[in-house]
Amino acid sequence: AQSVAQPEDQVNVAEGNPLTVKCTYSVSGNPYLFWYVQYPNRGLQFLLKYITGDNLVKGSYGFEAEFNKSQTSFHLKKPSALVSDSALYFCAVRDPRYNAGNMLTFGGGTRLMVKP
Amino acid sequence: NAGVMQNPRHLVRRRGQEARLRCSPMKGHSHVYWYRQLPEEGLKFMVYLQKENIIDESGMPKERFSAEFPKEGPSILRIQQVVRGDSAAYFCASSPPSPGRNTEAFFGQGTRLTVV
Repeated sequence: AQSVAQPEDQVNVAEGNPLTVKCTYSVSGNPYLFWYVQYPNRGLQFLLKYITGDNLVKGSYGFEAEFNKSQTSFHLKKPSALVSDSALYFCAVRDPRYNAGNMLTFGGGTRLMVKP
Repeated sequence: NAGVMQNPRHLVRRRGQEARLRCSPMKGHSHVYWYRQLPEEGLKFMVYLQKENIIDESGMPKERFSAEFPKEGPSILRIQQVVRGDSAAYFCASSPPSPGRNTEAFFGQGTRLTVV
């Protein structure tokens, strides 16, 4: 079965500094990976995905993620953090059994705190 | 194009009552997924449905929980005889029907169930 690990419960960064939120995965076959963000009392918003192609994926709000097959990682990055980026971030992997479906296994989430 | 619509946003039930959570997928989407999020935890997959079919219910508790996605109307997650441990946020997501893999799931705002 597939799994996702987010080793950090919380990441603290100063506004203007680069940020990284870590994610590692385990899945049989080709991985389809996603990052979502959740603001307080809201649903999940899609940030970006890796399906195939370039290892560096660009997404919404200036976020990007780097796919590393040898390290089975898909870390989320942003060159310059904003206070408004403070939220809960989830990494997810698609279940490979369903070609047409988007059944996801999520990591436990990482709370990003950006301080002014 | 409205997003994934869930209602109610907040639901309070007494122990032993039934809870019905509704989800209308995005227009044109025929795949629906339900997830549960306990406080300060990640999202756990519950069930994957297509119109009139349950594709995967491996995350559903064996008792008291059921889900449907009828030919007409919203998807329903039903919890019978609720207990305090059912208190959580329940999220619905939907995705398009095409077999193409370059798709992502879109999430609703969630229903926050409180059992008193």
